[in-house]
Formats: sequence, structure tokens, C-alpha cells
Amino acid sequence: AQSVTQPDIHITVSEGASLELRCNYSYGATPYLFWYVQSPGQGLQLLLKYFSGDTLVQGIKGFEAEFKRSQSSFNLRKPSVHWSDAAEYFCAVPNNAGNMLTFGGGTRLMVKP
Amino acid sequence: NAGVTQTPKFQVLKTGQSMTLQCAQDMNHEYMSWYRQDPGMGLRLIHYSVGAGITDQGEVPNGYNVSRSTTEDFPLRLLSAAPSQTSVYFCASSYPGILGEQYFGPGTRLTVT
Repeated sequence: AQSVTQPDIHITVSEGASLELRCNYSYGATPYLFWYVQSPGQGLQLLLKYFSGDTLVQGIKGFEAEFKRSQSSFNLRKPSVHWSDAAEYFCAVPNNAGNMLTFGGGTRLMVKP
Repeated sequence: NAGVTQTPKFQVLKTGQSMTLQCAQDMNHEYMSWYRQDPGMGLRLIHYSVGAGITDQGEVPNGYNVSRSTTEDFPLRLLSAAPSQTSVYFCASSYPGILGEQYFGPGTRLTVT
């Protein structure tokens, strides 16, 4: 069955520093992959998605992610973090039938001034 | 467009009580779903619906019922609340075939004492 793992539960970075959040997936074929962000007290918002083609995908708010089949990874990156990026980030993959999303456990990002 | 709305925002129940969490969307999305969010576990799918009159179980359906009489509404019923159902509940919707691009409601925080 498909699954996603986010190895880092918490990450703290300084404002202006670069960011990389890890996501590893387990999937039989080429997966669809998604990153969502959840600001405190809010629902989830789609940041970016990978379906096929170019392995580097751009999303909203200056985020990007790179699909690496050899490493079964889909890590989220941002070159310069802003205080407003403090949130929880979730990686997700749909099942084969495309009727369910499986989420990773989430990574909580804290930004130091 | 209001997007996905959920009521109530907060609820406290005693063990054994019943209640219905409301979810509505105005985007004419066929796919709707309910998730629960617990610390460190990401979001887990409770039930989903691919259209009016069609519902199915997700990963953690026990203790919850759903129905889908209209495209817009997808209520979640707790028949006899238990402390293990203390959680934050999110409703989401999307067009079929684009499962990952889900739109989430703001959530309902439920406490069962």
C-alpha cells in the first residue's frame, strides 16, 4: 500500500535561511505527490503537486519540490524562509484507485527572528 | 464563493452523546471527505463520497456515519461519542480525478469528556 513518511517532526530555522523538508514515499508506480501547508488554527492549503514530467515543481509562496525516483523522495524547499512560513507541512499521496489521500505525519516549522 | 464551510468550530461532548458535524461546499465538487487530525499522525480519512448518494469508508470509519443527499452537503455523525474521538475534524472537497487538489474547511475541534 502507498505511504509517505516525514522523518522530521519539528524543524527550526532562522528567518532568511534556506529550508528543506523531507518526504519519502512508498508506491508501486510513479506516484502523484502533494505538499500541503496548515497555518495555526486553519485548514490545509495545497502548496504544490507532482503528476509527471519535470521533476522540479514550483508552488505557491515561493516553495518548490523535487521528485527523485531513485531516492523515493519528494522534498520541499524554499531558498529564504519568512516568519509567515511558520506552519505545519504535510506530504500526501493518493491510493491506486485515486479515491483516498494518505498523509504523512507532518513537519512543524518554527522560524526564529 | 464561501468554499468549504464547517460548523461548529468547537464542541464539547460527554461520553455517549451524539452529534452531527456539518460540512458544506459551494464549488459543485463531486468528491467530499472527512478527516481527523491527531498529533503526530497527520490526517486520517474517516469517510468519503464520490457523489450524491454514494459514500464509502476510509481508514478509520468506526464510530462515524455519513450520508450524502446533495452535492453540497456531507454531514458526519457521531452516534455515541467516546473520548478516543477527541480530535480536530476536517472536511474537504475536490473535483473527481484531481484528488490531490482538495479544498479544506477550517476544522471542528471536538472534545469528548
